[in-house]
Amino acid sequence: GQQLNQSPQSMFIQEGEDVSMNCTSSSIFNTWLWYKQDPGEGPVLLIALYKAGELTSNGRLTAQFGITRKDSFLNISASIPSDVGIYFCAGSNAGNNRKLIWGLGTSLAVNP
Amino acid sequence: DVKVTQSSRYLVKRTGEKVFLECVQDMDHENMFWYRQDPGLGLRLIYFSYDVKMKEKGDIPEGYSVSREKKERFSLILESASTNQTSMYLCASMGQGSGNTIYFGEGSWLTVV
Repeated sequence: GQQLNQSPQSMFIQEGEDVSMNCTSSSIFNTWLWYKQDPGEGPVLLIALYKAGELTSNGRLTAQFGITRKDSFLNISASIPSDVGIYFCAGSNAGNNRKLIWGLGTSLAVNP
Repeated sequence: DVKVTQSSRYLVKRTGEKVFLECVQDMDHENMFWYRQDPGLGLRLIYFSYDVKMKEKGDIPEGYSVSREKKERFSLILESASTNQTSMYLCASMGQGSGNTIYFGEGSWLTVV
């Protein structure tokens, strides 16, 4: 099936650093979602974006829906050890709103 | 809060056994999904259901079947488990008009020996 290009694949950072990750698609999406998965658990929704250009924050997390509707990014400011996990992007297009297209994830490790 | 509950967190089954993975959601969602997650492969959709008794194949349906007899319950069935089905299985649900927001269960770790 179709997949999104999510980068970077993994990151190892120092506590306090800012983090940025992004997803790109070859087709236009009308929804972008960002999820975090803690080790051994199911993914949990962080931020949902529904409009091109939309910029939404959730605490130290900020995500944007790209103007072209083919990309999105997630930033984490002032990282802390509990930010460790896998971050997934997902998108859907008008053709099939029930079926999300997923990135392969960004694995984040934070050194205290 | 939406609650998606998977009946078993950890299972060990023998090759050839029939395996049932059960999932229940408490938000009256129309859509339910089964994914499997493997290292480096992300989340891959096995089957989904958009209504009771309705189902559609996802990207990797081979070797699996599903059952949705009640709106709140979606079961994944491995008719004859094989070692390549060792994986983490994630159930999810989504309501109509919910902005495509999908809610996951905690996952079921299946090992086939």
